[in-house]
Amino acid sequence: DAGITQSPRHKVTETGTPVTLRCHQTENHRYMYWYRQDPGHGLRLIHYSYGVKDTDKGEVSDGYSVSRSKTEDFLLTLESATSSQTSVYFCAISGARRGNEQFFGPGTRLTVL
Amino acid sequence: TQLLEQSPQFLSIQEGENLTVYCNSSSVFSSLQWYRQEPGEGPVLLVTVVTGGEVKKLKRLTFQFGDARKDSSLHITAAQPGDTGLYLCAGAETGGGADGLTFGKGTHLIIQP
Repeated sequence: DAGITQSPRHKVTETGTPVTLRCHQTENHRYMYWYRQDPGHGLRLIHYSYGVKDTDKGEVSDGYSVSRSKTEDFLLTLESATSSQTSVYFCAISGARRGNEQFFGPGTRLTVL
Repeated sequence: TQLLEQSPQFLSIQEGENLTVYCNSSSVFSSLQWYRQEPGEGPVLLVTVVTGGEVKKLKRLTFQFGDARKDSSLHITAAQPGDTGLYLCAGAETGGGADGLTFGKGTHLIIQP
């Protein structure tokens, strides 16, 4: 298994509070991604990073920000959580080998009340 | 925005039967991946196809990339209960690794003993 951990694995929070999810990798891969998975929508890209301090927006980036100060860590922040951000969040990494293969972490289940 | 349509959404069959899952798009992808996801876990990469017409086999699973690189299929021969899970196809627009993947909504497969 690729060395990817996510923390926390579960979190319940209230509307309006800030939340930070962490993704940590031990593979030294250049690319890192945050997705959310919702019933009826599948997996959708939130933000991605192509290097330290280099990030870009994905399909559903509104309400989210990211930071990458080290190769191994990619943080996803919800500045003011809303109920629509209740979801399962997955981090993925890629070494940009054959066909942009991505390897996923175990996920964080976030509930915003 | 590129879209991937997966069919069927749900499939429940008996052990020993064969099945095919389809992944279709009107857009061209540089590569396509198939993932399998268990409840409460992240998607696990099964295979990557990058060349139009490419066929890959993984034990009883056969993956094919369409000649025009717009569609793919997953065929399972003699399905077993251990094949139960959510199967996801995902396409990469570019081969360089920077972009995220576009996912289909998945096929929920249940193999009954």
